[in-house]
Amino acid sequence: GNSVTQMEGPVTLSEEAFLTINCTYTATGYPSLFWYVQYPGEGLQLLLKATKADDKGSNKGFEATYRKETTSFHLEKGSVQVSDSAVYFCALKIGAGSYQLTFGKGTKLSVIP
Amino acid sequence: GAGVSQSPSNKVTEKGKDVELRCDPISGHTALYWYRQSLGQGLEFLIYFQGNSAPDKSGLPSDRFSAERTGGSVSTLTIQRTQQEDSAVYLCASSSRVAGAGGANVLTFGAGSRLTVL
Repeated sequence: GNSVTQMEGPVTLSEEAFLTINCTYTATGYPSLFWYVQYPGEGLQLLLKATKADDKGSNKGFEATYRKETTSFHLEKGSVQVSDSAVYFCALKIGAGSYQLTFGKGTKLSVIP
Repeated sequence: GAGVSQSPSNKVTEKGKDVELRCDPISGHTALYWYRQSLGQGLEFLIYFQGNSAPDKSGLPSDRFSAERTGGSVSTLTIQRTQQEDSAVYLCASSSRVAGAGGANVLTFGAGSRLTVL
């Protein structure tokens, strides 16, 4: 079946530190890959996505590259801010005709001044 | 409205009682999804509605769970005879299409309804 594995949290970083949140996946086909972010008290929001191998999704200084050879989609940011404190979810979807997203367990990030 | 609205935001109930959770999707979005977020777990797919098609109920964990979507808009998730393991955050999402070219449909989520069963 399809599954997503994220690094365990919580992750605590100082402001301006470099962030990596690891995400690997298992899929029966060729998935589209997503990172969603959930800020405190809010719903999940799409942060970035990639639909095929070697694509790089980017938004708000965050980046993730679809690596088919390592089945990974690690999230990175060069310099985090306090406002980046949130829970980050990696997710995948198989095929153009599918609608189900398979999510990882989420990684809580806390950025301290 | 501007976003997906869910109510109540918090619900505390006693074991054995029935609860109803409401989702008001973004106007014009034809697809609506319910997910469950349990402590320490990822999001678990529950049910999916698309237009007038029969819903995909494959994720509902038991026959105590049901959902309906009236008039292609508002949806209600009902949990009968609640159990403590039903305690979770129930998330609703909507999207404007099932999947377009490239298969990367975007879901907009509500803030969730936190259910606590005592």
